[in-house]
This record gives sequence, C-alpha cells and structure tokens, in this order.
Amino acid sequence: AQSVTQLGSHVSVSEGALVLLRCNYSSSVPPYLFWYVQYPNQGLQLLLKYTTGATLVKGINGFEAEFKKSETSFHLTKPSAHMSDAAEYFCAVSGGSDSWGKFQFGAGTQVVVTP
Amino acid sequence: NAGVTQTPKFRILKIGQSMTLQCTQDMNHNYMYWYRQDPGMGLKLIYYSVGAGITDKGEVPNGYNVSRSTTEDFPLRLELAAPSQTSVYFCASSYLGRGGDEQYFGPGTRLTVT
Repeated sequence: AQSVTQLGSHVSVSEGALVLLRCNYSSSVPPYLFWYVQYPNQGLQLLLKYTTGATLVKGINGFEAEFKKSETSFHLTKPSAHMSDAAEYFCAVSGGSDSWGKFQFGAGTQVVVTP
Repeated sequence: NAGVTQTPKFRILKIGQSMTLQCTQDMNHNYMYWYRQDPGMGLKLIYYSVGAGITDKGEVPNGYNVSRSTTEDFPLRLELAAPSQTSVYFCASSYLGRGGDEQYFGPGTRLTVT
C-alpha cells in the first residue's frame, strides 16, 4: 500500500524567502510523484510530476522538486516566495502493484506568505 | 477545451434528501474519479471509472453511487444525505490512468447537509 506524509499542515514564509514543503512517501514499487496546488475555492492544478529520468523536476511558477529514493522524499521548493504562492499544496503518489493511476494524496500544506 | 466541469458549485441539502453532482470532461479521457475533500484530510477517492459502463469503489464509497454511460459524463449520486457528507467534492479525469498520468480536476462542488 502507498501512503504520503506531508510535514507541517501550515507553513508561513516571508515574501522573497525560500519555500520548502516536505513530502515523504511509502511505496513498494517505484513511485510516480506529483505536487498539486489549490488556490482558494478552486480545483487542484498540477505543479509538477516525477515519473522516470532526471530526479530534479521543474514545474510551473518557479517551483521544483527533487526525487530522493534513498530518503523516500519528494520535497517541493521555490527560491523566492511571492504573494501569489499563498495556497494549499498537495503531494500525491501513484504506481501501485496494479500499475494504474490511483492516487494517494497527502493531507496538504497551507502556505501563507507575509509581506 | 473546457476541461472538467462540475455543477452545481454550491448546494445545501436537508438530511435525507438526494441529489446528483454532475461532472463532464471534454478531453476524451478514459478514466474519471470522484473525490471528497475534508479539512486536514487531503482527498479521499469515492468512486472511479476506467471507461463507459465500468465503475468501481474507492476508499470511501458508502452513501454514494455512480454511473458512466458515456465517456464524457460521470455523475455522483447521493442518496439519503447525512451531515457526514458535508464536504467539497471534486471530479477528475486522466487519459489512460497509467501510473504516470496526471489527473485533471474540476472546480469542485461545495455541499452542506443540515
């Protein structure tokens, strides 16, 4: 069975500071990993995903994430926070033994950006 | 492309009432999903479909039913609404449902049962 743990349900960052959102997963098979963003009263939008190949993945809006198999992690970063980054962020994993795309989502991390 | 559309956006139901949440996608995706989102809990899969005429239960199916008569539509039926079904409901779709395929989400339906 797969599972996802997001450390910290709320993160507050200053505008211009580094954004770091932590995601650890458990999976018995090589995982596919995703980060989604949810702005208030909207659906989820894909930020980036890791399937195979390069372990550093770049996404939209200046975000990137690194797949570290030895640490079972897929942390999301952005060098400089912008006010528009205030949203909820979800990490998800798929790729179970039946190899179809059923997702397991983390509980989410709410990001607040302060001026 | 409109992507994934959901109606209604908001709904208030009384306990025991029934309703259908509509979901339509225009991307010719084979796989469709229904999730519910509760605060601090992430998204939980209610039902999914791998194609027209084929549906299966997810993690939290009790109190819900689905059907998939066309590729485009995947309605979610709530029978005998209960306060525990107060939640935000998201429909999603993906092309083939392979492990690396991303899911595309609708804007959600906010449901309150009182």
